[in-house]
Order: sequence, then C-alpha cells, then structure tokens
Amino acid sequence: AQKVTQAQTEISVVEKEDVTLDCVYETRDTTYYLFWYKQPPSGELVFLIRRNSFDEQNEISGRYSWNFQKSTSSFNFTITASQVVDSAVYFCALTPNNAGNMLTFGGGTRLMVKP
Amino acid sequence: DVKVTQSSRYLVKRTGEKVFLECVQDMDHENMFWYRQDPGLGLRLIYFSYDVKMKEKGDIPEGYSVSREKKERFSLILESASTNQTSMYLCASSGGGWQPQHFGDGTRLSIL
Repeated sequence: AQKVTQAQTEISVVEKEDVTLDCVYETRDTTYYLFWYKQPPSGELVFLIRRNSFDEQNEISGRYSWNFQKSTSSFNFTITASQVVDSAVYFCALTPNNAGNMLTFGGGTRLMVKP
Repeated sequence: DVKVTQSSRYLVKRTGEKVFLECVQDMDHENMFWYRQDPGLGLRLIYFSYDVKMKEKGDIPEGYSVSREKKERFSLILESASTNQTSMYLCASSGGGWQPQHFGDGTRLSIL
C-alpha cells in the first residue's frame, strides 16, 4: 500500500517570502511517479509537475522548484518570492508502476499568502 | 486544452434519494476517475474506469456505483444517499501510461 504525508496542514506567509511545502511518501515499488497539484479557491485541481522515481534531478520552473530525494522519500516543493495568487491548497500524489495511474494523494497543504 | 465538465457545482439532496453525478471529458481519454475530497483527508478514490463498461473499485467504493456507457462520460451514482456522503466530488480523466490526470471543477454535494 502507498501513503503520502503532507505534515503541514496550513502555512501562512507574507508576500515575497519563500515557502517550502513538504511531501513524504511510502511505497514498496521501485518504479513510481510523483505529482504536485494546485487547487485554487475555484476548486479545480491544476497539474504542476510529474516526476518519475529514476529521475532525481531537481527541477525549476519560474518561481517554482522541486527537490526529489529518494534517500529520504521526499518530494518537496518550494515557491520563491510568493505572491497572493499562490494562495491555494497544494496536493502531493503518488502512483506506483503497477497501479494503472491510480493516484494516492496526501492530505494537502493550505497556503495563504498575505499582501 | 483538456476539458472535464461536471454537471453541477452545487447539489442538495435528501437522505435516501438516488443521486447521479455526471462527468464528461473531451479528450478521448481512456481513464476516468471519481474522487471525494474531505478536509484533512485529501482526495480519496471511489472508482475508476479504464475503458467503456469497465470499472475498478478504489479505496472507498461502499455506497457508490458507477456507469460508463460511452468513452467520454463517467457517472457516479449514490444508490441511497446518506448524510456521511456530504462532500466535494471530483472527476478526472487521463490518457494512457502515467499521463497527468485532468480534473473538473468539482460538485459540492450536501445530503440533508
């Protein structure tokens, strides 16, 4: 069985601060995919990134960066110079190789960015 | 752009009613999913379908059934609604392999 833990239920920062959202996962599979999704107040989940278990390179996309560390089973997400529009609930998710694309989600982290 | 459309944003029903939640996708995706979202629990998979007329149980299928008669449409059915089924319901679709799932806006269902 898979498990994804997002220990931070809520984070509040002031605009322009950097913030890191933690994600720790458990799986017995050696091949798996990890995802991050953003859920703004409108409700629709928006795909942010997919990472496979063989690719431990960190990734940067504009103000977003992801740090995948297999040794600690973590896939953390950092927003640099946060903006009010970053306020949302962020979900980390996992699918192992043999699960037919079924995702196991963490509980989500609500990020509030204050002006 | 992938479009996943859920028939209602808000729905209020009574205990014991049969409830239908509809989801349509326009990208010819093989896979479709129904989740419920509750505070602190994240999203939990109810059912998914990998082809027309095919379905698999997810983590919490009890009290629910699904129907997929056409590739683009995936319906979630609450046979006899109960108050503990009050929740946000999210539909998603994806292509083959490990393509990202694309989500609808969600239906907030209240059972009174």
